[in-house]
Parts: sequence; structure tokens; C-alpha cells
Amino acid sequence: EAQVTQNPRYLITVTGKKLTVTCSQNMNHEYMSWYRQDPGLGLRQIYYSMNVEVTDKGDVPEGYKVSRKEKRNFPLILESPSPNQTSLYFCASSAQLAGGVGGELFFGEGSRLTVL
Amino acid sequence: DAKTTQPPSMDCAEGRAANLPCNHSTISGNEYVYWYRQIHSQGPQYIIHGLKNNETNEMASLIITEDRKSSTLILPHATLRDTAVYYCIVPPRPAGSNYKLTFGKGTLLTVNP
Repeated sequence: EAQVTQNPRYLITVTGKKLTVTCSQNMNHEYMSWYRQDPGLGLRQIYYSMNVEVTDKGDVPEGYKVSRKEKRNFPLILESPSPNQTSLYFCASSAQLAGGVGGELFFGEGSRLTVL
Repeated sequence: DAKTTQPPSMDCAEGRAANLPCNHSTISGNEYVYWYRQIHSQGPQYIIHGLKNNETNEMASLIITEDRKSSTLILPHATLRDTAVYYCIVPPRPAGSNYKLTFGKGTLLTVNP
């Protein structure tokens, strides 16, 4: 079954304690992306990756890091989490069609993170 | 990349057609229009996409105006399970551009019994 898997689904942590949210897709997609969703603000893009070793900032990258060492994985790293990073996080992937980004985006189920 | 404008909310009676508008007046000639929906706090789900012709699939129909500056997503017989936030997006094309994919706030469609 085609899917994007995120872990953990729920996490409560404390300020400053490094954490990683993993994202894995089994569709051999080139494009992967992280979003955060906050009430009243919609889905905002944090980082995206066009392929292995190719990443770039989205609209709200501050406080986050990513890496893309393998095609299937795109972890989101919070080196020193702060309360303003409390949010619902989504990972997504899509096939990069010839000529550019497009195609159906597949989303994970979300990771709800609370930073105390 | 083309920005989109959607109404923040709409209501629809169960069994009736839901018509969700989207304005994308700055769309380029080779950019597609995509629609997704998000039920409660689940991951968004792809619905349909199109370039210039009208499109239909098992979920919905997409009507794109001739000048491509706006589109309408049509759910022909809305059910209570169609209550969700609907996002209209226009993914950027390549050739040196970035690949930011902005979703915005979408339209909250409430289907009433």
C-alpha cells in the first residue's frame, strides 16, 4: 500500500530537548516536504526536498533542520524545541513529473507535537 | 508561483451540489490547478487537478474558466462526510524557480443535514 509514515504520531517534550520526527515513503517519490499546521494559519511549508541531498527552505524554516540522505526518508529535526513549535506536523511526498513539480501529494497522518 | 484566493467558509445542504470557487488570476500558462481536502486534523487528501480543460473523477468535477484565472470544484451530491477544509493550490513550475508549495487557509465547507 502506498503510504507516507510519520513517527511519532504524538509527542510531549520539554524546551531544549532535541527531537526528530521521522518520515518515510514507499513510493520512490523524489519530492518530499514538511508542513506545520496551526489554528487559523493553514498549512505552512517548513522545508522541502527535490531529491537526495537536495533540500531548501519553505516559508517557516526557523528552528528546524532536515536531511535527505536516502530517497525514502526525510526526517525533521528540532535541535532545541521551543513552545512556539507546538503544532501539528505533516510530511508529504510526490513524484516529480517531467518538467517540474506536480502530481498528487501524499500526506502522512500527522505528528502532534507539544513543547512545554 | 501563482497565489490563490478562496472564501474562508461555505455551507451546503446534504444531497445538493457544493461549488467551491478559487481565484488564481496570476497563474501561468503551464501551471496546473490542484485541489485537496482535509477532514478534521487528518492529512490532506488529493481530489483532482487540471490545466485548462474541465476534469471529472469519482470524487469531484473541476471547472476551469477559459482565461484560467479561476476555477470551481464541484461535489455533485454533498454528504456529511464531505465536511472538510478544501485547498486550491497552483504548484510552481521549474526552470530555476523554487518549489515552494503553499497551501494557504482553504475553504471550510460545512455540509448540513
